[in-house]
Amino acid sequence: GAGVSQSPSNKVTEKGKDVELRCDPISGHTALYWYRQSLGQGLEFLIYFQGNSAPDKSGLPSDRFSAERTGGSVSTLTIQRTQQEDSAVYLCASSFLTRGTDTQYFGPGTRLTVL
Amino acid sequence: AQSVAQPEDQVNVAEGNPLTVKCTYSVSGNPYLFWYVQYPNRGLQFLLKYITGDNLVKGSYGFEAEFNKSQTSFHLKKPSALVSDSALYFCAVRDISQAGTALIFGKGTTLSVSS
Repeated sequence: GAGVSQSPSNKVTEKGKDVELRCDPISGHTALYWYRQSLGQGLEFLIYFQGNSAPDKSGLPSDRFSAERTGGSVSTLTIQRTQQEDSAVYLCASSFLTRGTDTQYFGPGTRLTVL
Repeated sequence: AQSVAQPEDQVNVAEGNPLTVKCTYSVSGNPYLFWYVQYPNRGLQFLLKYITGDNLVKGSYGFEAEFNKSQTSFHLKKPSALVSDSALYFCAVRDISQAGTALIFGKGTTLSVSS
């Protein structure tokens, strides 16, 4: 399909390990977003990429979190030294900005469990 | 600061009856409003959005939403609920002038439609 894809769909890791989560946006979309959905919470913005501009990292909860977007397409969210409070569903979205408006389309998410 | 409130954690409705899921928002400028639906173990699916124009917006699966500027509300509605509409619904907002920025989401409302 032509939607946003994310991998892995599930990740179980031990506290202190590093994890990498991948997002493949819709082809041609210039903007890419990462959100976190914790149990009982809404969606929390993490980071935003738009074209070749510097990313908006204002939502990253700590310096253990980082993300990159290579070639303006695929993005990887890295969490170093994972903690149990990092357990959540990590959602990626992409959009095409035109005339100041855009609609974000979401991937299925990666469910991260930190033991 | 921008914010979204979904005052009901859960809405219960019988199949065939009309449904309403409430949302109120706060933005400094003009709002750009969205509704998304999330089925179990799935990502968010876009339902509809309001930018400007007609206050009644029609979207996917027979859903519609009414924008009310004076009440700063954007309630989601459907004339006749289906059991398959049972899911988690999120309202989201951003300021129109902040093109391409992350959305602010409500905490979500679980809709349960009984047969």
